[in-house]
Amino acid sequence: GQQVMQIPQYQHVQEGEDFTTYCNSSTTLSNIQWYKQRPGGHPVFLIQLVKSGEVKKQKRLTFQFGEAKKNSSLHITATQTTDVGTYFCAAEFFNNNDMRFGAGTRLTVKP
Amino acid sequence: SAVISQKPSRDICQRGTSLTIQCQVDSQVTMMFWYRQQPGQSLTLIATANQGSEATYESGFVIDKFPISRPNLTFSTLTVSNMSPEDSSIYLCSISLSNQPQHFGDGTRLSIL
Repeated sequence: GQQVMQIPQYQHVQEGEDFTTYCNSSTTLSNIQWYKQRPGGHPVFLIQLVKSGEVKKQKRLTFQFGEAKKNSSLHITATQTTDVGTYFCAAEFFNNNDMRFGAGTRLTVKP
Repeated sequence: SAVISQKPSRDICQRGTSLTIQCQVDSQVTMMFWYRQQPGQSLTLIATANQGSEATYESGFVIDKFPISRPNLTFSTLTVSNMSPEDSSIYLCSISLSNQPQHFGDGTRLSIL
């Protein structure tokens, strides 16, 4: 079945360092969404990207959707301890309405 | 945005028993979904809960093991039947309005002894 690959699986950074997680698909996506799950919590919706080459920002978070709509990234500038959690991308494909979640990137931040 | 109430929030069950998880939304929603998240893993879609008809199950999930009901546009249940330790997971319901992103309930943390 259609899948979306997400890397890295884990990332440990010093507070103040930047962080990036990447998602890739072999087929063109309808859209891609990003979620954050804090330890012990449930996934919380962050953003949806729909257009080719789209870039959206939320404070220190920058989300990009590739020109071919096959890849996406989430970049956090100057991480803080509040950024700790697992970041998931979730891809929607054109031929169905299901979402496929990436494996997630677990971010830990050392104060 | 809609408020999603999922219960129970957690449970510890004996193997061979069944547990029904409820998902209540404070407004009518188009789509309701059930996911499983095994420890340290990503989310896997179990099924789409269809109002007034049988749920649409993903590969690897069957109705006998995970019967789902959706009697109206605000409520759904997922039953985990004949549980074994391998069913220990977080079970999450999510909702979506037409062409809108999904939003998740708090989840049910299930442990089977």
